[in-house]
Amino acid sequence: EVQLLESGGGPEQPGGSLRLSCSASGFTFNNYDMTWVRQAPGKGLEWVSDISDSGGATYYADSVKGRFTISRDNFRNTLYLEVISLRAEDTAVYYCARKASHSSGYYSHPSVSPAYYFDYWGQGTLVTVSS
Amino acid sequence: DIQLTQSPLSLSASVGDRVTITCRASQSISGYLNWYQQTPGKAPNLLIYAASNLQSGVPSRFSGSGSGTDFTLTISSLQPEDFATYYCQQSYSSPLVTFGPGTKVDIK
Repeated sequence: EVQLLESGGGPEQPGGSLRLSCSASGFTFNNYDMTWVRQAPGKGLEWVSDISDSGGATYYADSVKGRFTISRDNFRNTLYLEVISLRAEDTAVYYCARKASHSSGYYSHPSVSPAYYFDYWGQGTLVTVSS
Repeated sequence: DIQLTQSPLSLSASVGDRVTITCRASQSISGYLNWYQQTPGKAPNLLIYAASNLQSGVPSRFSGSGSGTDFTLTISSLQPEDFATYYCQQSYSSPLVTFGPGTKVDIK
């Protein structure tokens, strides 16, 4: 059974820093790209960051670029998100998710990119930034 | 950036109703559109990927259609456990993806 378990959230002061972790089990972790998505209280979903299966490629939303760092340890089957210079607007539930791909039918054509989607999600960890 | 809009943003329906939610992209995204369901306090749950493919384990009353800029999620017969918020998400510009604002479905 695929399981993703986030940890590391909690109350933080503006300007502070923290590291979120996502422990993965039930699948071959190093075969999958992984992602972080956050949700501010009462708001919608916001993609935050993405990392390739090897960890060699990372991507960030403009809203977090320069302050957030995504990484992974494929030996420990763990995904991380380091955050510095926390702001009130970073207050949210942070979810890690597994990124799967669909590459059959139309998407199997050599010139067509696979269709990606997030098929498993953790339960989320709440980060609250307030003075 | 590719923007997604959803309509309606909320709706009230009864058990057994047929429900349709629309997602529109600011540019053509071919079939790179996914749908998620989220109930309060829970993580999102994948329903449909690549516009029309039903995720394993998801009831067949859920279906998706569309291509280009216009997509729909249909629930053929609303069940009590379907009262939730539904989000569309584009993966055309993956890994830089975006979500729609969500459509809340509640009980009439």
